[in-house]
Amino acid sequence: DTAVSQTPKYLVTQMGNDKSIKCEQNLGHDTMYWYKQDSKKFLKIMFSYNNKELIINETVPNRFSPKSPDKAHLNLHINSLELGDSAVYFCASSRDRGTYEQYFGPGTRLTVT
Amino acid sequence: GNSVTQMEGPVTLSEEAFLTINCTYTATGYPSLFWYVQYPGEGLQLLLKATKADDKGSNKGFEATYRKETTSFHLEKGSVQVSDSAVYFCALRNPDRGSTLGRLYFGRGTQLTVWP
Repeated sequence: DTAVSQTPKYLVTQMGNDKSIKCEQNLGHDTMYWYKQDSKKFLKIMFSYNNKELIINETVPNRFSPKSPDKAHLNLHINSLELGDSAVYFCASSRDRGTYEQYFGPGTRLTVT
Repeated sequence: GNSVTQMEGPVTLSEEAFLTINCTYTATGYPSLFWYVQYPGEGLQLLLKATKADDKGSNKGFEATYRKETTSFHLEKGSVQVSDSAVYFCALRNPDRGSTLGRLYFGRGTQLTVWP
């Protein structure tokens, strides 16, 4: 009964390829997030969706595009992958935007060669 | 703006030693404060939280007190175990209304290694 799940767990691909990471939460939460963790463990928010609506969009290259088909899913599509995209990507969810803690998925380790 | 500064690691301790990981913050308004823990190969888990000044969050023997006067939220544990080895993140949640409501700001993480 994983609360926030991500697929795949590991993703190795070549520069220039397009790839997607999927995230699903079964907690009934309204808000979902994507974070990027670099090699030094620094976490930075990328996007946030509330009820399928984009509410946070940080300074992220246009090659990154989130898509939320419904409240339980938030996928991340990356075009034209670059070496610098190598990182661990975490999905998270919370009951709403304001007052509830965020629950994190196990992460997807993306390696671009 | 909002930001979190936590002590740089790595921190290496022997089992049963006392642990302190310092965390200070800058915030507009009155944020909620959190400690998250990341075990090797896993995602982040909420360890404890405090939502207002002088609140003490506690869990699994860890404690942190929200100190508004010193803008701090230091993590402490009286006797660490090998199983506590992980990366610890201090975070604040932006209380402001508007598009950034609910956003978490993380410190850079502190690696803790406990030896038997």
